[in-house]
Formats: sequence, structure tokens, C-alpha cells
Amino acid sequence: RKEVEQDPGPFNVPEGATVAFNCTYSNSASQSFFWYRQDCRKEPKLLMSVYSSGNEDGRFTAQLNRASQYISLLIRDSKLSDSATYLCVVGDYKLSFGAGTTVTVRA
Amino acid sequence: DAGVIQSPRHEVTEMGQEVTLRCKPISGHDYLFWYRQTMMRGLELLIYFNNNVPIDDSGMPEDRFSAKMPNASFSTLKIQPSEPRDSAVYFCASSLNSASGREQYFGPGTRLTVT
Repeated sequence: RKEVEQDPGPFNVPEGATVAFNCTYSNSASQSFFWYRQDCRKEPKLLMSVYSSGNEDGRFTAQLNRASQYISLLIRDSKLSDSATYLCVVGDYKLSFGAGTTVTVRA
Repeated sequence: DAGVIQSPRHEVTEMGQEVTLRCKPISGHDYLFWYRQTMMRGLELLIYFNNNVPIDDSGMPEDRFSAKMPNASFSTLKIQPSEPRDSAVYFCASSLNSASGREQYFGPGTRLTVT
């Protein structure tokens, strides 16, 4: 079983739409949770950390459910520039990366 | 801060040759990670260091791969001899052990092609 599992998508949405997806993780002892964004042929970049209480950064909202071991990401008012692969990341000093969920926002 | 620096950005080499990838972490970061990314296998952790000491090299695929961190500002990943199946993007990342989080910051990667 993979440590982090994600729906690969792709999620193809129009501009302005809301898109949401999640991931599950297997290690209940994990302490750190993140969403990273990776554009084609670029390095992964930190999008946001995820906290148990849930957190928001502009149009992005992340939730963590420790009991069910899943993490979610919601993007409101999608922009063309949101098109990317979103990586769910879990761990401690050593992080495990999901395979990514591809989002394509169309005009 | 300049961020994580990697060189070279692209490397094309023939099978059997030695390849050396280089990384300069963000100043002050005490963890350094080497990853490999391919379409088939995604992002794989190869090895990581804490305060220049290798902590976990269980992801290193074979003895052909070796990594060193002689000081806090420099690390190398060496493949000798290289094989076509080593073709991938190799990322270096660094992080800081802090109470606020352990997010990793990635360099731009080295795109390796072994022919």
C-alpha cells in the first residue's frame, strides 16, 4: 500500500468554478501535512501547510481529518493559472509525496 | 535568499559514464534531501542528511549511486556507471527543523538523460 494515495484526475474545470479533491495517508503517526504544487517540468513548490483546525489561504482551503487519515484541498474561483499537479505530502522530517492530482482550468 | 541551487540543469551522457549532480541548500537549513522523479514512479526519496550526516539511504537504488555532504552548503549525488534507466529529473531539497513546520524547498532539478 502506498503511504499517500491521491486521485490522479484529471479534473477539468471552467474558470470560476470550485474544485475539490483529497488524499489518504497510511501512517497515523505523521505530524506534518502539506499541499505542494508542481507545474510541468518544474520543481514542486509549497502551496500551503495543513492543520487539524483547517486553514485558508486566499482561494485555497485545506482540511485535515486525522481520525480518517485524509487531507483535502478546495480551490474556489479557479483561475487559468491554477492549472497544475497538486501533490499531497505527509510525514515528519522525512516526507512522503503522493503521485499528484492534475487540475486543468479552461477558459 | 537564493533558494536551493542545483547544477547542472541538464546532463546528457552515455551509458557507463560517471555523472555527478551538485546541490547547495538554503543557508541555515539542516536537512538535505535527494529525490528522483519519473513519469512511471513519481517522486522518490533517495537519501537524506541531517547536519551533513546521512540518515536514511534506503531509497538509493543500487551501489552505483552514492551521495556525500562534505559541509553544510554542498552535497553531491554520483552515479557510476550510469545506465539508461537512470534517466530522470533529480531534485535536491532542504528544510529547517523548526517547531513551525518541516516543509521542504526544492531546487530546480537536474534533468539527466543517459543514452
